[in-house]
Amino acid sequence: GENVEQHPSTLSVQEGDSAVIKCTYSDSASNYFPWYKQELGKGPQLIIDIRSNVGEKKDQRIAVTLNKTAKHFSLHITETQPEDSAVYFCAVNAGGTSYGKLTFGQGTILTVHP
Amino acid sequence: EPEVTQTPSHQVTQMGQEVILRCVPISNHLYFYWYRQILGQKVEFLVSFYNNEISEKSEIFDDQFSVERPDGSNFTLKIRSTKLEDSAMYFCASSVDPSAPGELFFGEGSRLTVL
Repeated sequence: GENVEQHPSTLSVQEGDSAVIKCTYSDSASNYFPWYKQELGKGPQLIIDIRSNVGEKKDQRIAVTLNKTAKHFSLHITETQPEDSAVYFCAVNAGGTSYGKLTFGQGTILTVHP
Repeated sequence: EPEVTQTPSHQVTQMGQEVILRCVPISNHLYFYWYRQILGQKVEFLVSFYNNEISEKSEIFDDQFSVERPDGSNFTLKIRSTKLEDSAMYFCASSVDPSAPGELFFGEGSRLTVL
């Protein structure tokens, strides 16, 4: 089955700094790569996603880059704010048209210090 | 903003008891899912459900688990005889179109504690 590795497990930055979280995956058939933010006591919430026919996608302070050859993708958050503090999960689909069956990474606890 | 709602938020049960977790997906969504997250671990796929039948299920989703859409709004996960290792946060999710990538909307979860 799919194997998704996420690093780092914890990340601590100062407000205004950038944060980068990386994921690698094993199944070359995967073609959908979402990132989720989970705040304490809540369910995961999609913050950005990318499909395999795109190398980079940006939404304001958040960007995702994908290297399909190397099977890794990264989340970039610029100008971090304390409200960005949360657990972030990368996920990968099972390939083909199976977009709802996601394999998640282990999660990164991001702490942004004011 | 439409949201996925789950009940109960927390359930404590004795080992061997049956548990039903309930979910109300977003009204125009067609595809429904259950995921679980054991404390401190990653979110894991359990099952997907479309057109009143299971589409996919993981190895975790054994004969002790079942899902049902008993009416037009609810989507339930039943665990027939709970085990200690079933203790986890269970998330229901829904999406609009199963054949295209798009946002999975997750509920806030039901925490199950098996004693």
